[in-house]
Amino acid sequence: DVKVTQSSRYLVKRTGEKVFLECVQDMDHENMFWYRQDPGLGLRLIYFSYDVKMKEKGDIPEGYSVSREKKERFSLILESASTNQTSMYLCAVWGVNEKLFFGSGTQLSVL
Amino acid sequence: AQSVTQLGSHVSVSEGALVLLRCNYSSSVPPYLFWYVQYPNQGLQLLLKYTSAATLVKGINGFEAEFKKSETSFHLTKPSAHMSDAAEYFCAVSERSSGDKLTFGTGTRLAVRP
Repeated sequence: DVKVTQSSRYLVKRTGEKVFLECVQDMDHENMFWYRQDPGLGLRLIYFSYDVKMKEKGDIPEGYSVSREKKERFSLILESASTNQTSMYLCAVWGVNEKLFFGSGTQLSVL
Repeated sequence: AQSVTQLGSHVSVSEGALVLLRCNYSSSVPPYLFWYVQYPNQGLQLLLKYTSAATLVKGINGFEAEFKKSETSFHLTKPSAHMSDAAEYFCAVSERSSGDKLTFGTGTRLAVRP
């Protein structure tokens, strides 16, 4: 199985701050994803990447960007955090046996 | 565009009773379908997946789901609920041949009464 590590379990930031959410996998898989999870809305895809320096927009990319300089690390960036970006952020990696492996998530609060 | 609809945001059953969580999908091509489970304070983990082989799919922890093309459904069932099944369940669909870009439903929270 793939181990997916998200650097922070809880994060509190102020409006307007630049926020970095880090995700690291312990294997050599290409496909990585960032979702946000909100009550009643399920998981929504923000960005994904199929290789180093490659990125594609998901369904709700506005207000976010990503960085993938190394295969094992996929970062989500909130350029200027806003209160409506308060959410649970989940990183996922597409691994062997055709399934997504998820990190345990980062609960971000923007005050 | 692909989408899934989960009927019932909350479902409550008694321990030992049948669990039925409903999922209907929309897809312009033959879909790949998944059920994921999220236990409290944990990430999501795969329960089972349908990738165009057998229409009845068996997963972990005694769960199974049946793909019904005529009804565009992929409902999740378990014959006898256990207290440890209390969690949130997500149905997901993918149209990609590799199946990795998933669109998730809004989730169903399952409560199990003693």
